[in-house]
Amino acid sequence: NAGVTQTPKFQVLKTGQSMTLQCAQDMNHEYMSWYRQDPGMGLRLIHYSVGAGITDQGEVPNGYNVSRSTTEDFPLRLLSAAPSQTSVYFCASSYSDRVGETQYFGPGTRLLVL
Amino acid sequence: SQQGEEDPQALSIQEGENATMNCSYKTSINNLQWYRQNSGRGLVHLILIRSNEREKHSGRLRVTLDTSKKSSSLLITASRAADTASYFCATDGDNAGNMLTFGGGTRLMVKP
Repeated sequence: NAGVTQTPKFQVLKTGQSMTLQCAQDMNHEYMSWYRQDPGMGLRLIHYSVGAGITDQGEVPNGYNVSRSTTEDFPLRLLSAAPSQTSVYFCASSYSDRVGETQYFGPGTRLLVL
Repeated sequence: SQQGEEDPQALSIQEGENATMNCSYKTSINNLQWYRQNSGRGLVHLILIRSNEREKHSGRLRVTLDTSKKSSSLLITASRAADTASYFCATDGDNAGNMLTFGGGTRLMVKP
């Protein structure tokens, strides 16, 4: 299994541009989520999904959209990029919503917004 | 806001020494997990301790949990240069489903 994959690995955007960060997992996990990590800080939850067709907001959802049309894919869309969205973005998945289920993380996407 | 807060923020030790990192949290939890992140890489799950457990071991890792103090510690014994990384605690119980809340992390440097 490839696990959780993310593309691109690195992206530079200009303010106002839009883009989609891709995330895919091949472990048939129901739960998927997006986090952002700012320098020297932990991860903050942006959006999450408990299954195909179901998404919900996390701690810092503003400026981001998500959709979950399939179990495997959970793309994150930046509608109009802002410098404050410069960060490293991690996608994660887990098998179920049982308490204590381990989350598996992708390698991250580094985003720079100029 | 962050649920977990790690202490210290940075730690530098010599190879062979033990490294202790602490995590405090604010609300009740179902479980607490520790993750490692090597520079420029994603997070790797290390160990999970449930709210009804007090201590757990995994290889050179020892985790304790004190729910009365809302705190946890991660001990790495006989550290190696390869242990150099950032370590994060994460809790659930404050969000719907299985979503985790992460602390700011402890940056550990192990000098050879």
